[in-house]
Amino acid sequence: EPEVTQTPSHQVTQMGQEVILRCVPISNHLYFYWYRQILGQKVEFLVSFYNNEISEKSEIFDDQFSVERPDGSNFTLKIRSTKLEDSAMYFCASSERGGDLIPRDAEAFFGQGTRLTVV
Amino acid sequence: QKEVEQNSGPLSVPEGAIASLNCTYSDRVSQSFFWYRQYSGKSPELIMSIYSNGDKEDGRFTAQLNKASQYVSLLIRDSQPSDSATYLCAVNAGNTPLVFGKGTRLSVIA
Repeated sequence: EPEVTQTPSHQVTQMGQEVILRCVPISNHLYFYWYRQILGQKVEFLVSFYNNEISEKSEIFDDQFSVERPDGSNFTLKIRSTKLEDSAMYFCASSERGGDLIPRDAEAFFGQGTRLTVV
Repeated sequence: QKEVEQNSGPLSVPEGAIASLNCTYSDRVSQSFFWYRQYSGKSPELIMSIYSNGDKEDGRFTAQLNKASQYVSLLIRDSQPSDSATYLCAVNAGNTPLVFGKGTRLSVIA
């Protein structure tokens, strides 16, 4: 069964360092997302990406964050200068389409996550 | 501000019983409603989706939606210890991103 894959599973970085989290969405999916979950808290939306551009972003997704689809398969999240409060699980997700025409197309499938620890 | 509210639990049920999980949402234009299961330290796993009022059954799971009351629920019949997890309610409207509730922790006691 197709799945979203993320690497690495765990990343430890020093405060102020740059990190890149990688994702391979499901191959026929067109919408890609990054969510994060701070330990013990809810899953929060960061950014959505469609047709090679950001379609929506949250207040969390400030200038420290960027996303890229460098080739036909990978989707990356870069955090330029990590802060202690960036420590969280970061989940990549993909959906076949948006759900505006057919709600079922909005079903989003999540990767296994990258646990980012900033020390 | 779009909100999705869930009772955090824990909800404890004996093995074989029905577990009932509830969720309310604030955005009236919401169209799509999802239940995800999340085991500790793992990612959300989609288990049910519902788009129109009424009930939708899939195996031991039944999702119920009432848009007038802005209420969605998940019933798990014949609960098993392996169902012990946090259940996340998520909602969106068309192309908007998913808004998640905090989740309800379910504990099925053998």
